Parts: sequence; C-alpha cells; structure tokens
Amino acid sequence: QQQVKQSPQSLIVQKGGISIINCAYENTAFDYFPWYQQFPGKGPALLIAIRPDVSEKKEGRFTISFNKSAKQFSLHIMDSQPGDSATYFCAATRTSGSRLTFGEGTQLTVNP
Amino acid sequence: KAGVTQTPRYLIKTRGQQVTLSCSPISGHRSVSWYQQTPGQGLQFLFEYFSETQRNKGNFPGRFSGRQFSNSRSEMNVSTLELGDSALYLCASSLGLGPRYGYTFGSGTRLTVV
Repeated sequence: QQQVKQSPQSLIVQKGGISIINCAYENTAFDYFPWYQQFPGKGPALLIAIRPDVSEKKEGRFTISFNKSAKQFSLHIMDSQPGDSATYFCAATRTSGSRLTFGEGTQLTVNP
Repeated sequence: KAGVTQTPRYLIKTRGQQVTLSCSPISGHRSVSWYQQTPGQGLQFLFEYFSETQRNKGNFPGRFSGRQFSNSRSEMNVSTLELGDSALYLCASSLGLGPRYGYTFGSGTRLTVV
C-alpha cells in the first residue's frame, strides 16, 4: 500500500524533444506528490510538486499531470536540454506526515 | 546561505564495525530526515527528527539509530555493519514537519562495507 511505481527506468530523448515519466501510487491517503531531480554526486533536489485538488501544474518547461481516479501522475519536460540529463524521482507523501515514498527513479539522457 | 552539510562524504568500513554519520541542517531548520539510497532498493526512509525527538521511523532493523542535538544537528549510527549496508546515506532538512515546508537534501555520505 505504500509503493510508488515509476516508469520507464531509463529514457533517451533528443534535444528539443519531450520527456515523459510516469508514476502510479496505491495509498489513497497520499495527498502531496513531488518530483525530484538528482545529478551524480548530489542529493535529490525538489523540481515541482502537486496536490490532488488540481489536475495539472506547470513551472517553466516542467509540467505535472495528475489523474486522481487512476492514481497516476506524470512529469513532462518540454524542450528537453542536455542539462536536464539526470535521474528523476517521483514521490508521494501525506501533508499531515513527513516521510517521502519514492519511485524507483528514471535516468534521463538528453542527446545534443 | 549554506546548504545541508553531511560528513564524511566517503567512508569505508569493515563488516561488524559500527559507523556514525553526521548531518548539519540549514540554519533555522528544525527537522532532519535520513534516507538510504541503493541501486536495488532506491530511496528508503530511515527516520525523522524534530526538536530532538524521533517523529517517524522506517522499516529498518534496530542496528540503525539516530539522534538530534539541541542545535538541530543530527547523527545516525549503524552498528554491526553488513555488506548490504553499503549505500548512499542522505540527510534532508526542513523548517518544520510536513512536506509543505519543503525538504533540502545534502549530497550524502557514501558508505562502503567490505
């Protein structure tokens, strides 16, 4: 009930393309869904987050889409750049709690 | 402002030994969480401390313990090390409890058990 499933495990995109990473959760008590970006040798850094009362949130080139009934959410990176090459993690938690349950991670490579 | 500082960055220990990792949160942050990151299990929650009290604990054996000091600095200890404890240990600090405050991760301590 605490799992978050993330796909794909790895993704290769051409510069300027759209990167799409999907996540699904089981625990309906989750009500806060952040995405983290991690570069080699660094800790994860918060990219963007969404609550289930909205279906979409956009910040610059990054957009989260949320489907509450399907218990799925996804990250779209528009106009992907080589500098976006990193590992991306979705996560889920409760606003009343604090522990983050992470997905398995997606290694994104953007070719120039 | 200074970020989350974790020391040491790298550590090599032998099976059966114990190890202590340190985390200095961002100034003013009162919550510290610890996560273990491995290729096989991904990022897993270890525990969270707020105002020197453990508020939440993950599903790890009792060999994993931690504490928080009055200045919010935190340490985690792993006793009787096993090969499977080899991982990147990440510390995250936050102003308060709950995700609305946001979490800032340190760069981690890479522990290798041989």
